[in-house]
Amino acid sequence: GENVEQHPSTLSVQEGDSAVIKCTYSDSASNYFPWYKQELGKGPQLIIDIRSNVGEKKDQRIAVTLNKTAKHFSLHITETQPEDSAVYFCAATLSGGSYIPTFGRGTSLIVHP
Amino acid sequence: NAGVTQTPKFRILKIGQSMTLQCAQDMNHNYMYWYRQDPGMGLKLIYYSVGAGITDKGEVPNGYNVSRSTTEDFPLRLELAAPSQTSVYFCASRHPGSAQETQYFGPGTRLLVL
Repeated sequence: GENVEQHPSTLSVQEGDSAVIKCTYSDSASNYFPWYKQELGKGPQLIIDIRSNVGEKKDQRIAVTLNKTAKHFSLHITETQPEDSAVYFCAATLSGGSYIPTFGRGTSLIVHP
Repeated sequence: NAGVTQTPKFRILKIGQSMTLQCAQDMNHNYMYWYRQDPGMGLKLIYYSVGAGITDKGEVPNGYNVSRSTTEDFPLRLELAAPSQTSVYFCASRHPGSAQETQYFGPGTRLLVL
């Protein structure tokens, strides 16, 4: 089955800095890679996703890159703000079907004002 | 729409007790999922359902049971609670098909087994 590794487990940055979270996956059949943000006491919420036919996707301060050959993908947050502080999860799955994503262990991002 | 709702928010159980975690969604999603989240371990799939009357095991099903009698509801049953089931439980739902991949998560149920 699929295995997703996520690093780092904790990331501390100053407000305004950039943050990068990296994930690797094992199953070359995976073609859909969502990222979720989980604020304290809440459920995860999708913030951005990317499909295997695209190398990069941006949404304002958030971007995701995908390297299919190396089987890794990354989340980039620029100009971080205190409200970006949360736990971020990456996931990998085969699109469609019963859709059973495999999640990384999560990264706790702390943005210091 | 209320989205995905879960009850209760928090519960303390004694070892050997049973309980049902409730999950409901009002988005007419066919697919529903139960996950448990332990510190530093990400989300582990317990059970999932692709429609009313159809359920299947996930990665960590032991000690749990589910049913799906309606599209809206997907309760999770713990028959004999054990300390290892202390966790935060999330229910999620999704529209079928590759055009809408987003999983919508509920706010979670925090369970403590003593």
